Amino acid sequence: DAMVIQNPRYQVTQFGKPVTLSCSQTLNHNVMYWYQQKSSQAPKLLFHYYDKDFNNEADTPDNFQSRRPNTSFCFLDIRSPGLGDAAMYLCATSRTSGGTDEQFFGPGTRLTVL
Amino acid sequence: GQNIDQPTEMTATEGAIVQINCTYQTSGFNGLFWYQQHAGEAPTFLSYNVLDGLEEKGRFSSFLSRSKGYSYLLLKELQMKDSASYLCAVMDSNYQLIWGAGTKLIIKP
Repeated sequence: DAMVIQNPRYQVTQFGKPVTLSCSQTLNHNVMYWYQQKSSQAPKLLFHYYDKDFNNEADTPDNFQSRRPNTSFCFLDIRSPGLGDAAMYLCATSRTSGGTDEQFFGPGTRLTVL
Repeated sequence: GQNIDQPTEMTATEGAIVQINCTYQTSGFNGLFWYQQHAGEAPTFLSYNVLDGLEEKGRFSSFLSRSKGYSYLLLKELQMKDSASYLCAVMDSNYQLIWGAGTKLIIKP
């Protein structure tokens, strides 16, 4: 089945220790997104790629970076995680960036910062 | 600023009908999405409306009024598995998806 895969599902890191979250997709979609979602809040868009064209949201902290080495993979790097970065990180894809194309989400990675 | 408003929480009874409302103020409009999100899981797509009116899909229906900046999601014949958060999201003129915080729906037997 075509899908969006995120690894790991649960990640624990120490305060200030860099961490990388990964996402892969078998849908062959052009657009990939990274969201941060805290409990009972709306997903907050951090980055999105249209193919290899990188788009950084204006209020995404510099502590967060992203890489998309090819169509199928996308990575989220958190350089120095703080306690406030504990959240669910959702990767999503869509065929295009507009119109009727819904976003397909991976299962998420729940990040705990100790 | 851009804003999506939904009730924080609703409670309904198994077998009943519930309507979850969403109002929005965005810079432009390119469609409205409803997603379902079970606790600790990722959102899954339910519906998309871009024209005024009602879209029916099985037990779920979604309504849109662009002039009023208003949508609702109607769930019929509620089942316990429908307990989840329901997120309203609007695509603005820049094709950015603006998300609401979601409505937590609690189903009681």
